Amino acid sequence: AQSVSQHNHHVILSEAASLELGCNYSYGGTVNLFWYVQYPGQHLQLLLKYFSGDPLVKGIKGFEAEFIKSKFSFNLRKPSVQWSDTAEYFCAVGSSNTGKLIFGQGTTLQVKP
Amino acid sequence: EAQVTQNPRYLITVTGKKLTVTCSQNMNHEYMSWYRQDPGLGLRQIYYSMNVEVTDKGDVPEGYKVSRKEKRNFPLILESPSPNQTSLYFCASSKTVTGAVENTIYFGEGSWLTVV
Repeated sequence: AQSVSQHNHHVILSEAASLELGCNYSYGGTVNLFWYVQYPGQHLQLLLKYFSGDPLVKGIKGFEAEFIKSKFSFNLRKPSVQWSDTAEYFCAVGSSNTGKLIFGQGTTLQVKP
Repeated sequence: EAQVTQNPRYLITVTGKKLTVTCSQNMNHEYMSWYRQDPGLGLRQIYYSMNVEVTDKGDVPEGYKVSRKEKRNFPLILESPSPNQTSLYFCASSKTVTGAVENTIYFGEGSWLTVV
C-alpha cells in the first residue's frame, strides 16, 4: 500500500538551530516527492519537489531535501531555522497516474525566538 | 494571478443540511481534486477530476459528491453532512495529471467546515 510516514510529529527548536525532518515513503511506481509548508491559518505552499536527476533538491526559504532511493527517504533540512519557520510541514508522494498526492501526517515545527 | 478560490472559507452547519463548497481555478487546468485535512492524518484525497465530466473517487469519498461540468469549477457537495465531516477542506488543481516537473499543484486557501 502507498504510504508516507513522517517521523516527528512535533519539533521544538531554538532560532539558528539546524533542522532535519524525516520522511519515508512506500510506493510502487515512479516517485514524485514533495515537501509542503502550511503557516498558521494559511494554505499549503510548495517548498520543494523531486522528480528526477540530482537527489539533493533545493527549495525556497533555504530549505533542501535529499532523496535516498535505497532508504525510501526524502528528509527535509535547513541549516539555521528562524522564528518565521514555525509552521506545519507535510511530506507527500505523488502518483503520475492519478495525480493524487499521498501526504504524511505532518510535523509541527515550533521555533523559539 | 494564478488562483484556486474556495467558498465559503468558514461554515458552521447542522447535520443533514445539504451544502456545497465551491472551487474555481483561473489557470485552465485539467486536473482538480479535493482533500480533507484532519489532525494526525495529514491530507487525504476525497475526489479528483482529470477533465470535464471525468471524476473519480479518492481515498475517502464516502459522504461526498462532486461534479465537473466546466473546466474551471469543481464543487464539493455534502448531501447530508454529519459531524465526522467536520474538517478543513482544500481544493487543488494542476495543468495535467502527469508528474512533469513544471506541473505545479496549486492549493486553495482552505474551507473550515463544522457540522453540529
